[in-house]
Amino acid sequence: EDKVVQSPLSLVVHEGDTVTLNCSYEVTNFRSLLWYKQEKKAPTFLFMLTSSGIEKKSGRLSSILDKKELSSILNITATQTGDSAIYLCAGDPSGTYKYIFGTGTRLKVLA
Amino acid sequence: NAGVTQTPKFQVLKTGQSMTLQCAQDMNHNSMYWYRQDPGMGLRLIYYSASEGTTDKGEVPNGYNVSRLNKREFSLRLESAAPSQTSVYFCASSRQGHTGELFFGEGSRLTVL
Repeated sequence: EDKVVQSPLSLVVHEGDTVTLNCSYEVTNFRSLLWYKQEKKAPTFLFMLTSSGIEKKSGRLSSILDKKELSSILNITATQTGDSAIYLCAGDPSGTYKYIFGTGTRLKVLA
Repeated sequence: NAGVTQTPKFQVLKTGQSMTLQCAQDMNHNSMYWYRQDPGMGLRLIYYSASEGTTDKGEVPNGYNVSRLNKREFSLRLESAAPSQTSVYFCASSRQGHTGELFFGEGSRLTVL
């Protein structure tokens, strides 16, 4: 059964800290992995990683795909209170585009 | 720029009642999705539509039906609502293929009493 597992489930840090969020995926015929940030409502897109694009960076956020370990990490450096959110990871089983999501990591950044 | 629009945003139903959640996108996307989100469960795929006229079951399709009316619209119907269907429902769309990015609506909070 295809699945995506995220860890930790929740995390509390102080502003300025660096955090690493984990996503492991067990999907058949992997094609892509997505990271999303969800604040109060709709998830917003952060990164897509594929076999040909295994590292992405945008400002203080970066993500790496480890194809061998079937996992990905999302790094946030110099965290700010505005980074407080649920971070979701999704995998694309068998290249079907029927993305399955992990349960998410709830990040709280304290001032 | 509307993106993905869902209606209604909130709904309270009694057990056994029926209702339809509407979703429309204005980005000319081929693929559309319905997910539900429950506390501690992440997003779970209910139904997926790769293109107009096609639909496919996701992880949790029982108790739901969908209609891909045209390229823009994808509706989710609960024929006989149950308390277990209390959830937040998200519609999403994607261009499919090159980017794979999903664009989400604002969500519809459904409570079944």
